[in-house]
Amino acid sequence: EPEVTQTPSHQVTQMGQEVILRCVPISNHLYFYWYRQILGQKVEFLVSFYNNEISEKSEIFDDQFSVERPDGSNFTLKIRSTKLEDSAMYFCASSDPGTSSTDTQYFGPGTRLTVL
Amino acid sequence: GIQVEQSPPDLILQEGANSTLRCNFSDSVNNLQWFHQNPWGQLINLFYIPSGTKQNGRLSATTVATERYSLLYISSSQTTDSGVYFCAVAGGGSNYKLTFGKGTLLTVNP
Repeated sequence: EPEVTQTPSHQVTQMGQEVILRCVPISNHLYFYWYRQILGQKVEFLVSFYNNEISEKSEIFDDQFSVERPDGSNFTLKIRSTKLEDSAMYFCASSDPGTSSTDTQYFGPGTRLTVL
Repeated sequence: GIQVEQSPPDLILQEGANSTLRCNFSDSVNNLQWFHQNPWGQLINLFYIPSGTKQNGRLSATTVATERYSLLYISSSQTTDSGVYFCAVAGGGSNYKLTFGKGTLLTVNP
């Protein structure tokens, strides 16, 4: 069964450094998402991406965040200057509401980001 | 935005018991998903169920969209069912953004 993959599984970085989290969505999906979960809290929406542009973003997704689909398979989240409060599990998801009978969002296994 | 409330926040069961988890939401939805977060933090899709009833083995779910709630039933619980169960919805003018509840922490003891 196709699945969303994410790399790395765990990233440790120093405050102020840039990080890039990578995701490979399910191949025929058209919508892509990033969510995050701070330890012990609920999952929060960051951004959705369709047709090579952001379709919706949350208040969390400020200027230090950016997303890109650099090629036909990868979807990336960049955090320009990490802060301690960026430490969280970051989930990528994808969906194909256009042709599928469902709007199911399929989630990857997550990247645990630790900012020191 | 749309609000999602899950109950109970915590639930402790003995193996073999049945349970019902509830999700209330504040607006009409076009997507409702139930997830199980395992001890490794992975979000496992259980159901896509914006309306109606579905069953998958020992799990079943029902969403009554007109009354804005969904129920997840777990029968004959096993220790491997332990973890956090999240309800997530999209709606209220935002078609694809999933808003998650705070989850129900289920502990199944042997």
